[in-house]
Amino acid sequence: ETGVTQTPRHLVMGMTNKKSLKCEQHLGHNAMYWYKQSAKKPLELMFVYSLEERVENNSVPSRFSPECPNSSHLFLHLHTLQPEDSALYLCASSQDRGTRDGYTFGSGTRLTVV
Amino acid sequence: GNSVTQMEGPVTLSEEAFLTINCTYTATGYPSLFWYVQYPGEGLQLLLKATKADDKGSNKGFEATYRKETTSFHLEKGSVQVSDSAVYFCALKGAGGFKTIFGAGTRLFVKA
Repeated sequence: ETGVTQTPRHLVMGMTNKKSLKCEQHLGHNAMYWYKQSAKKPLELMFVYSLEERVENNSVPSRFSPECPNSSHLFLHLHTLQPEDSALYLCASSQDRGTRDGYTFGSGTRLTVV
Repeated sequence: GNSVTQMEGPVTLSEEAFLTINCTYTATGYPSLFWYVQYPGEGLQLLLKATKADDKGSNKGFEATYRKETTSFHLEKGSVQVSDSAVYFCALKGAGGFKTIFGAGTRLFVKA
């Protein structure tokens, strides 16, 4: 596989559920990112990992918990979410966090919290 | 801090019309500038980039020139197609930084 792959593409979960989003890249990139895209709002950076170390956490609520076990995989663990957390969650990767080459994005996971 | 401002949409054009989507930025030093495109139901795709003043990025008929004097990076295409209908994001990455700042996005509709 090439590029950035996100699973699942769609997820509906209740507020008491626990679920995880998965992101995988086979580009040899060393930095990975989680973004949240809500309707009529700018892209929100949630987390940044560089060489599996978290380097940025943009004041994200603790009900979102990231995990980066290696440079190819990134997870976002979800628990006790709120309806306002419904959004498109995008994963991205780049060569390294300082690159000027831009990001490669996955297709996203459309999350609906009911 | 760094910021990106792009024109509000939606922009509606007829096929073969000329497209301009304005983008201006605020940054210290010499940031890298990008345009990303998001087609319905997809993530963002890097469309083009420029890393220094007067650079012109181009791809698929789109182009944008890094203008430091006007702090702008406007996206242009001479003749749009229906398949260009999408949301376009201007973005900036500060020199030595690791965060990319995205504009709010401009939705483009192209009618046949």
